[in-house]
Amino acid sequence: QSVLTQPPSVSGAPGQRVTISCAGSSSNIGAGYDVHWYQHLPGTAPKLLIYGSTNRPSGVPDRFSGSKSGTSASLAISGLQAEDEADYYCQSYDNSLSGYVFGTGTKVTVL
Amino acid sequence: EVQLVESGGGLVQPGGSLRLSCAASGFTFNNYGMSWVRQAPGKGLEWVSIIVGSGHSTYYADSVKGRFTISRDNSKNTLYLQMNSLRAEDTAVYYCAKVVLWFGDYYFDYWGQGTLVTVSS
Repeated sequence: QSVLTQPPSVSGAPGQRVTISCAGSSSNIGAGYDVHWYQHLPGTAPKLLIYGSTNRPSGVPDRFSGSKSGTSASLAISGLQAEDEADYYCQSYDNSLSGYVFGTGTKVTVL
Repeated sequence: EVQLVESGGGLVQPGGSLRLSCAASGFTFNNYGMSWVRQAPGKGLEWVSIIVGSGHSTYYADSVKGRFTISRDNSKNTLYLQMNSLRAEDTAVYYCAKVVLWFGDYYFDYWGQGTLVTVSS
């Protein structure tokens, strides 16, 4: 089981803002490790959305933003669009497992 | 343009072996670490292994340690995953990913489309 917990699903109407939480612990996010976020449509290659908790790679719209505080992190999607329907995963490093961990994943639905 | 193309997946019996390959292009392969990440049917992403650019250091998830071996051939721009003693719970789509070193740990900036491994009798 994953050590990073995300809500199974979030939904919103087009144009709305949704947030996805990623709850960790003192051995990963709380230990100071950054959080990275990925968008995944089933059957396709996952795509990097946010790195270093708050940074967007070139080509990722500024509708996507990330934050981190204490033992948790969040991904916000503003101006929700139909093409944002996908699964989203957070990722960090865990020093008690000595390995990389992904969140449980969140399915975003555009109503 | 970065491209990662996995191959080698298929159906294998429990206890059997399989070798996955990932052909990379569009970047200087030996300058970057590479990783394997898998997704079991209906489940989330699970990190499997990482190898640094030189190939001299490797890291594994506990779930595959001692059974899987990651390697690379920098002359062929190709990443490998040798999987032995396969179990039903290893059934998954296996993704190859390019990694970036970030303040002592890694994130995955480009991914392949994946190759399906099914372990079943």
